Amino acid sequence: DTEVTQTPKHLVMGMTNKKSLKCEQHMGHRAMYWYKQKAKKPPELMFVYSYEKLSINESVPSRFSPECPNSSLLNLHLHALQPEDSALYLCASSQDPNAYYNEQFFGPGTRLTVL
Amino acid sequence: GDSVTQMEGPVTLSEEAFLTINCTYTATGYPSLFWYVQYPGEGLQLLLKATKADDKGSNKGFEATYRKETTSFHLEKGSVQVSDSAVYFCALCLYSSASKIIFGSGTRLSIRP
Repeated sequence: DTEVTQTPKHLVMGMTNKKSLKCEQHMGHRAMYWYKQKAKKPPELMFVYSYEKLSINESVPSRFSPECPNSSLLNLHLHALQPEDSALYLCASSQDPNAYYNEQFFGPGTRLTVL
Repeated sequence: GDSVTQMEGPVTLSEEAFLTINCTYTATGYPSLFWYVQYPGEGLQLLLKATKADDKGSNKGFEATYRKETTSFHLEKGSVQVSDSAVYFCALCLYSSASKIIFGSGTRLSIRP
């Protein structure tokens, strides 16, 4: 299984809602990532989990809250988002967070719209 | 700082044409280099990579060679197909920050039948 899965595929939420994005991989990878991608732009790194611990937070607003319940799962909890947070949210994983030669495997993304 | 520069798009070609997408980088040390592709409505997937100078990465008819002298990693394909229409991202990763990919801005490629 060389796949990263993400749910839901699409999400529409109001600014007062609380929702969660989910990501799963069964490749035994020890690093997992959240990215935000706006239209016609490259992905921007948000968070990195290394061996289930948060290792990088790229100064992301607190309305985004990541969680890594176990080595296969990654969640992104959303609360009080703004319309400008509308984007494609990508999850990725890689085998070893310390190996700069390893590629990252990306999921298909969740298309988020904040009204 | 460390960065990746790739040619501006969009690039439009006819089917069976030769493709080159230029990519140059600035980095401290010797990075690993990657080409990722994003098809419409999908996430990114690795197309090819090279981890040291003079390495050639290849996949699905695409090739790129790690050129340390010119700090380049140009993507080439001899005969493109309509199914190659996508956005292509050149990227690097450094030993000093192995978890962080530095992406280029992306090049949108459209292939006409």
